[in-house]
Amino acid sequence: GEDVEQSLFLSVREGDSSVINCTYTDSSSTYLYWYKQEPGAGLQLLTYIFSNMDMKQDQRLTVLLNKKDKHLSLRIADTQTGDSAIYFCAESDSGGGADGLTFGKGTHLIIQP
Amino acid sequence: DGGITQSPKYLFRKEGQNVTLSCEQNLNHDAMYWYRQDPGQGLRLIYYSQIVNDFQKGDIAEGYSVSREKKESFPLTVTSAQKNPTAFYLCASSMAGTRRTEAFFGQGTRLTVV
Repeated sequence: GEDVEQSLFLSVREGDSSVINCTYTDSSSTYLYWYKQEPGAGLQLLTYIFSNMDMKQDQRLTVLLNKKDKHLSLRIADTQTGDSAIYFCAESDSGGGADGLTFGKGTHLIIQP
Repeated sequence: DGGITQSPKYLFRKEGQNVTLSCEQNLNHDAMYWYRQDPGQGLRLIYYSQIVNDFQKGDIAEGYSVSREKKESFPLTVTSAQKNPTAFYLCASSMAGTRRTEAFFGQGTRLTVV
């Protein structure tokens, strides 16, 4: 079945760039998403990329998609303490995801002072 | 303000009891979803509904039930048949019939069995 993989933890120094990686197996994925979850809260959509794009930039966030390798990354420039959270990669299939997105297990981003 | 509301935020259940988690949205979304989140497990889909009066099982539906009598509401009942119900439950909604179907999430309900 569909699978989305992420590493569980990433530690970076404040002010550095964070790069969170994700791999997926469903070659029919149409949209790929990054969500942020702060402690005890729901998920907040950060950004998304359509599968025919290879890059999308939105302020401090850059999403890179390598469709051949089924690899997605989220780069956060100038990482701040407020970026400390769990980041989830998710994908929707060719059906548009109306039957639910497939999520990775989430990457805990830890910010060191 | 448009959004998706879950209640209660915290819920305690005794062994053998059924409990119902509320989820309401005023985004005029057709599709609604329930996910369960456990530490280190990510989100797993319990049930989803693409239209009123219709719903489908997700990956871990056993021990749960849902109803979709109104477009705005998608309550989840955790039954006594659910062996390990302690978890964080997240409700989401999205537009149906469009290719980009990012889900909008509620703030979650933390259920604890005591």
